[in-house]
Amino acid sequence: NAGVMQNPRHLVRRRGQEARLRCSPMKGHSHVYWYRQLPEEGLKFMVYLQKENIIDESGMPKERFSAEFPKEGPSILRIQQVVRGDSAAYFCASSPSPGGYSGELFFGEGSRLTVL
Amino acid sequence: QQPVQSPQAVILREGEDAVINCSSSKALYSVHWYRQKHGEAPVFLMILLKGGEQKGHEKISASFNEKKQQSSLYLTASQLSYSGTYFCASTGRGGATNKLIFGTGTLLAVQP
Repeated sequence: NAGVMQNPRHLVRRRGQEARLRCSPMKGHSHVYWYRQLPEEGLKFMVYLQKENIIDESGMPKERFSAEFPKEGPSILRIQQVVRGDSAAYFCASSPSPGGYSGELFFGEGSRLTVL
Repeated sequence: QQPVQSPQAVILREGEDAVINCSSSKALYSVHWYRQKHGEAPVFLMILLKGGEQKGHEKISASFNEKKQQSSLYLTASQLSYSGTYFCASTGRGGATNKLIFGTGTLLAVQP
């Protein structure tokens, strides 16, 4: 059973470009979470999605950031008009049920975004 | 609200013990512990749900106090493989979502 798959693992963008990060949850998992981690810092919650629904986006910046988890295909975190401050590791996690209450989140290896 | 961990960093020699604390000003519904090695994904260690609960095995265990505002992770007879950053994470009682809020992190370095 493959784990959570994230791609690309590394992404370099120039300021003003768009970044698209993809996350395929583990088979049978319908709950997806995105976290951002700045160098030498902790994991900051961004957004929690279930299939086709955004459940909680309280950690998402109001502008330039969006997330989706369509019925078919991976979850996508989209960052428009990237700035240097967006440089970070973006981790996706999935769970078969709401992870906060019942058990573990399974994390992907992360996508490391560098903005030049 | 983000849980606060202490210490921020600790250096051990192999075989020594360590305790990592995680505190919140409000009662937590649950507390989770994760370990993250440098450049890797966080890995789940355990979850505690009940006040007064203790869980784990001989080498790595955790407790959750009765008021459910503090948890401690105990690392016994540390090994080199224990090195990494340890995070507690919590979800508050109630609310419509189940997002985990991660603590400030504790960097653990085990030296030969």
